[in-house]
Amino acid sequence: GENVEQHPSTLSVQEGDSAVIKCTYSDSASNYFPWYKQELGKRPQLIIDIRSNVGEKKDQRIAVTLNKTAKHFSLHITETQPEDSAVYFCAASMGGGSQGNLIFGKGTKLSVKP
Amino acid sequence: KAGVTQTPRYLIKTRGQQVTLSCSPISGHRSVSWYQQTPGQGLQFLFEYFSETQRNKGNFPGRFSGRQFSNSRSEMNVSTLELGDSALYLCASSALYRGPEAFFGQGTRLTVV
Repeated sequence: GENVEQHPSTLSVQEGDSAVIKCTYSDSASNYFPWYKQELGKRPQLIIDIRSNVGEKKDQRIAVTLNKTAKHFSLHITETQPEDSAVYFCAASMGGGSQGNLIFGKGTKLSVKP
Repeated sequence: KAGVTQTPRYLIKTRGQQVTLSCSPISGHRSVSWYQQTPGQGLQFLFEYFSETQRNKGNFPGRFSGRQFSNSRSEMNVSTLELGDSALYLCASSALYRGPEAFFGQGTRLTVV
């Protein structure tokens, strides 16, 4: 079946450093790639997304890049802060993105040390 | 605008029982998807409803079912509960006509004992 692989599963950085999380997907029809942040005991929150007709998107300290040929996409967080500590999930749309279902990676637990 | 609301927040059930969970989407959103979240498996897609029709289903046994009402509210039902069904059940709603962005509810924590 279709799947999304996410690496690393845990990531520890010093405050102020950058963090990079990488995902690969298998469904060639996927055209929408969101990233979610989930703090302990809370719901996943959409933090940034990218569509297949765009190679890169930035929003303040976070950015996402997409390589459709290689089926890779990545999340970049610069100048990390302790409040960035959370579990981050990447996802890819199934069925071309017109339908509301996503395949998720297994998550990356990011710890930012002050 | 109210977010996605799930009820109840917590449930404790006994093996063999059945359970019904409810999800009210963001006003105007017609797509509702359900996910099971467990520490080992992450977020796994259960099914998606749009305009009262199930459009997609994940790889779960037939004990897991759902439905959607004309006001877009959705319910999912799990029959003959097993210990392994203990999980956080999340629903997400999407407007779709405005874009595929999915917004999650707080989830229902189901514990099967």
